[in-house]
Amino acid sequence: EAGVAQSPRYKIIEKRQSVAFWCNPISGHATLYWYQQILGQGPKLLIQFQNNGVVDDSQLPKDRFSAERLKGVDSTLKIQPAKLEDSAVYLCASSSVGGGDQETQYFGPGTRLLVL
Amino acid sequence: AQKVTQAQTEISVVEKEDVTLDCVYETRDTTYYLFWYKQPPSGELVFLIRRNSFDEQNEISGRYSWNFQKSTSSFNFTITASQVVDSAVYFCALRGYSTLTFGKGTMLLVSP
Repeated sequence: EAGVAQSPRYKIIEKRQSVAFWCNPISGHATLYWYQQILGQGPKLLIQFQNNGVVDDSQLPKDRFSAERLKGVDSTLKIQPAKLEDSAVYLCASSSVGGGDQETQYFGPGTRLLVL
Repeated sequence: AQKVTQAQTEISVVEKEDVTLDCVYETRDTTYYLFWYKQPPSGELVFLIRRNSFDEQNEISGRYSWNFQKSTSSFNFTITASQVVDSAVYFCALRGYSTLTFGKGTMLLVSP
């Protein structure tokens, strides 16, 4: 079974530029999460989708970050404009709904963003 | 609010030593789940184990074992006979009725 896919793996941009990350969850997983992981810290949830609806976006800086999951499968996270403090790894995760494994989130390889 | 504390920032051991990674959690939720993830240098978070709050049985999987004690709100992780490939950052995480909360991680360095 294929895992969570993310692209690109690395991105370097200058501040005030925009950037977008893509995620494709494990097949059949209805719930998708975006996390931000700053160096030396644990991941912090930015947004959670179930199918194509937002479940929790309370930690998403909505003045510059946006995310969508239009068809309930893959998702895009965008930052516009980027700030220096956005330099981090952006992780996508997915989980199933129902069944014994629904509480476990499976993570992709992440996108390492450096803002100069 | 829920909180996960991993007091050990970095641990260095020599190959074949046993090592225990500590995790202490706080939650007011009566039902919750605890997790351990491994993050090697490649960056991907690899799921290791999930334990629910009403199952305090310890678990062993190969060289890995987990000790869950509700009385002390701890969920410690032991690697027996450590190997160089075990070098990574290990995260303990908690999910109650809200989001998954991670600790800050413990970096384990296993030298040959």
